[in-house]
Amino acid sequence: DGGITQSPKYLFRKEGQNVTLSCEQNLNHDAMYWYRQDPGQGLRLIYYSQIVNDFQKGDIAEGYSVSREKKESFPLTVTSAQKNPTAFYLCASSDREIYGYTFGSGTRLTVV
Amino acid sequence: AQSVTQLDSHVSVSEGTPVLLRCNYSSSYSPSLFWYVQHPNKGLQLLLKYTSAATLVKGINGFEAEFKKSETSFHLTKPSAHMSDAAEYFCVVSELAQAGTALIFGKGTTLSVSS
Repeated sequence: DGGITQSPKYLFRKEGQNVTLSCEQNLNHDAMYWYRQDPGQGLRLIYYSQIVNDFQKGDIAEGYSVSREKKESFPLTVTSAQKNPTAFYLCASSDREIYGYTFGSGTRLTVV
Repeated sequence: AQSVTQLDSHVSVSEGTPVLLRCNYSSSYSPSLFWYVQHPNKGLQLLLKYTSAATLVKGINGFEAEFKKSETSFHLTKPSAHMSDAAEYFCVVSELAQAGTALIFGKGTTLSVSS
């Protein structure tokens, strides 16, 4: 079945450490996105990528980095520069024409 | 810039009664509008979408929404709530960004359904 796989589902990180969240899709979608979700805040866009080897900052890119070396993969690194990394992270993908996104099941990151 | 406002952060209904989740948007273009549902600790699932075709859009699980340009609204309704409808709902508008498109999310409405 086609879809988006995010791993791991739960992730714990010590302060000062970088951590990478995985996002893989087999939908052959061109575009991929990372969102951060906090209670009462809705979803906020971190980074997005329309094509391989290209990506754009979203509204809250500071403290995050991404890469897009393959069409299927769009990993997100939460760096030690991100001051409040504890959140629920959602990856999504879409066709070039926007008719809605397909979302992964999310990764809950907790800094301990 | 486009934006979306969900007018209620929390809505409570009884099972079998109608559901109304309100959403207003602002847009300089002809927008595409969506409703997504999220169950606890899960990803988001598309309920329905409006992309300049029929103004009354039918979605999954008995939900529907009506695009009203004069009121800049896209309210989500369901005639009869079910316990399984309890979840968080997001109204979303598409935005033509500098290098592509991205979705703009409302802050969400939590729907509670009591028996």
